[in-house]
Amino acid sequence: AQSVTQPDARVTVSEGASLQLRCKYSYSATPYLFWYVQYPRQGLQLLLKYYSGDPVVQGVNSFEAEFSKSNSSFHLQKASVHWSDSAVYFCALSPPGTGSNRLTFGKGTKFSLIP
Amino acid sequence: AQTIHQWPVAEIKAVGSPLSLGCTIKGKSSPNLYWYWQATGGTLQQLFYSITVGQVESVVQLNLSASRPKDDQFILSTEKLLLSHSGFYLCAWSLWGNYAEQFFGPGTRLTVL
Repeated sequence: AQSVTQPDARVTVSEGASLQLRCKYSYSATPYLFWYVQYPRQGLQLLLKYYSGDPVVQGVNSFEAEFSKSNSSFHLQKASVHWSDSAVYFCALSPPGTGSNRLTFGKGTKFSLIP
Repeated sequence: AQTIHQWPVAEIKAVGSPLSLGCTIKGKSSPNLYWYWQATGGTLQQLFYSITVGQVESVVQLNLSASRPKDDQFILSTEKLLLSHSGFYLCAWSLWGNYAEQFFGPGTRLTVL
């Protein structure tokens, strides 16, 4: 069985500060990993994905994530946040080789900026 | 370019009434299709997936059913709604194969009273 844990339900920082959203996974091998963003009352948008290779992956809107096999983690980072980054962020994993692309999601982290 | 459309945008229904939600993907042939349910403020739970017309696999039992009558269409339905069915329903698609991320539709918000 696989699972995804996002330990922080909410994260708040000031505009221009850096952001890190944490994601830990549990799976018997190296899974495929994803970060999605959900703006209010909208569907999910894919930010970035990791399949294999370079553990640092770049995504849209200057987001990046780093895969760590030893820590079973896939943390999302951004150097300088903007108001438009306020949203809920979901980490997800998919077991390799599952043609159905089954995604298991974490509970999400709500990110907002200090007004 | 691929587009994914869900209908209706929102529904308010009574407990015990029937429900039908739809999803259409344009611009991609033979996609994998998925239904997800999201409780208010909660995570996403995959309900069904389909890799071809007429074939649907259930992932979680929530007294819902799904059908794929056409290559580009996925329907979620039930004959009797429960209060617990309230939430946000998302349809997604992906290409078949190993390296295939899922792309989500705009969702349908369902309120059961």
